Amino acid sequence: GAVVSQHPSWVICKSGTSVKIECRSLDFQATTMFWYRQFPKQSLMLMATSNEGSKATYEQGVEKDKFLINHASLTLSTLTVTSAHPEDSSFYICSAPIGTPETYEQYFGPGTRLTVT
Amino acid sequence: AQTVTQSQPEMSVQEAETVTLSCTYDTSESDYYLFWYKQPPSRQMILVIRQEAYKQQNATENRFSVNFQKAAKSFSLKISDSQLGDAAMYFCAYRTRDDKIIFGKGTRLHILP
Repeated sequence: GAVVSQHPSWVICKSGTSVKIECRSLDFQATTMFWYRQFPKQSLMLMATSNEGSKATYEQGVEKDKFLINHASLTLSTLTVTSAHPEDSSFYICSAPIGTPETYEQYFGPGTRLTVT
Repeated sequence: AQTVTQSQPEMSVQEAETVTLSCTYDTSESDYYLFWYKQPPSRQMILVIRQEAYKQQNATENRFSVNFQKAAKSFSLKISDSQLGDAAMYFCAYRTRDDKIIFGKGTRLHILP
């Protein structure tokens, strides 16, 4: 079946630095991908919609200058956390939709754990 | 805006027994998708079951079935013959017209041996 990968799976960075997380659709093309954030023992919260070839759209309350999203190709979206702070430590998950109305599904990446020290 | 509510933060069930997880949602749309996702300790999201709102028939996938009550905006998940591997966090989810997935807060399911 369709697979979505994320890299890295775990990253530690120092406060004030930037970190990039990649999301790839391995065997299908994704014109749209989604980025979620999940705090410990909480649900997934949608951060933004990544659109291939155009600007990402952000959910209310998400700082677009802090969470930079680039969807440069039909198989790759990147999330860059700029000037990271400890409160940005979280689990970041991407997803990509696929299928017909009968088989519609969103495939999720395995997630990236970000720890900011 | 659409909302998804799961009122049971945690549930426990004896192995081989049946358990039902509750979910209600709110929407003004007439056609939509609903999902149940499982998140085991690995945190990989796994699709359990999908329901299209225009379909009257409740979806089933092996030991997993749903009770979809469109008028009541209710979408519960029934797990039959519970197995130890079913222990996980379960999220009810709603797909919006622009493909966004809105998740409930989740129900942590414990399986008692």
